[in-house]
Amino acid sequence: GAGVSQTPSNKVTEKGKYVELRCDPISGHTALYWYRQSLGQGPEFLIYFQGTGAADDSGLPNDRFFAVRPEGSVSTLKIQRTERGDSAVYLCASTREGANVLTFGAGSRLTVL
Amino acid sequence: KNQVEQSPQSLIILEGKNCTLQCNYTVSPFSNLRWYKQDTGRGPVSLTIMTFSENTKSNGRYTATLDADTKQSSLHITASQLSDSASYICVVSAWGYNKLIFGAGTRLAVHP
Repeated sequence: GAGVSQTPSNKVTEKGKYVELRCDPISGHTALYWYRQSLGQGPEFLIYFQGTGAADDSGLPNDRFFAVRPEGSVSTLKIQRTERGDSAVYLCASTREGANVLTFGAGSRLTVL
Repeated sequence: KNQVEQSPQSLIILEGKNCTLQCNYTVSPFSNLRWYKQDTGRGPVSLTIMTFSENTKSNGRYTATLDADTKQSSLHITASQLSDSASYICVVSAWGYNKLIFGAGTRLAVHP
């Protein structure tokens, strides 16, 4: 696609529920990143994929968070047993191998009631 | 600890005026520094990217400077427009690391 597409744009869920957030990167971009942005803060790194593998998942806050990218393109961020503190905008970004500039999606705003 | 700090936290200026945003970092070893613009409800969009050897880089009315010795960068906006209202985020990357270190951003409001 022309840009990084994220769905849903908004998700409201109840505490304890399971949530999936999807990212469709720019075609041909091998690197994919997930970030979390709380209100008034800069994005915080969660996980980085190079192809299908998670090259760095050190930013995932705990084992309730998991991400996959089975075919090296679309990625899904999965959050189990959601908590109110998980409420944030989840941003996805992609880039070509060796490139410096990340292209960000518009984000998925998650609200946990 | 790798950190990026920005100032001011927020800024209000009148349309047509100039402004300068500051970024200080402690990231090491330094690879590059980027300025992103983030409109409300949108993802960040890259404005400039600067490496160690670059002191100044312009993108239209935006001019970024970098002093790698003092680990400081600034973003100067000339002749501001209402559409410049956004958050401006300073992002630094270190050699050998894939994750970028983001500042908290400066929220700029341009009023008519």
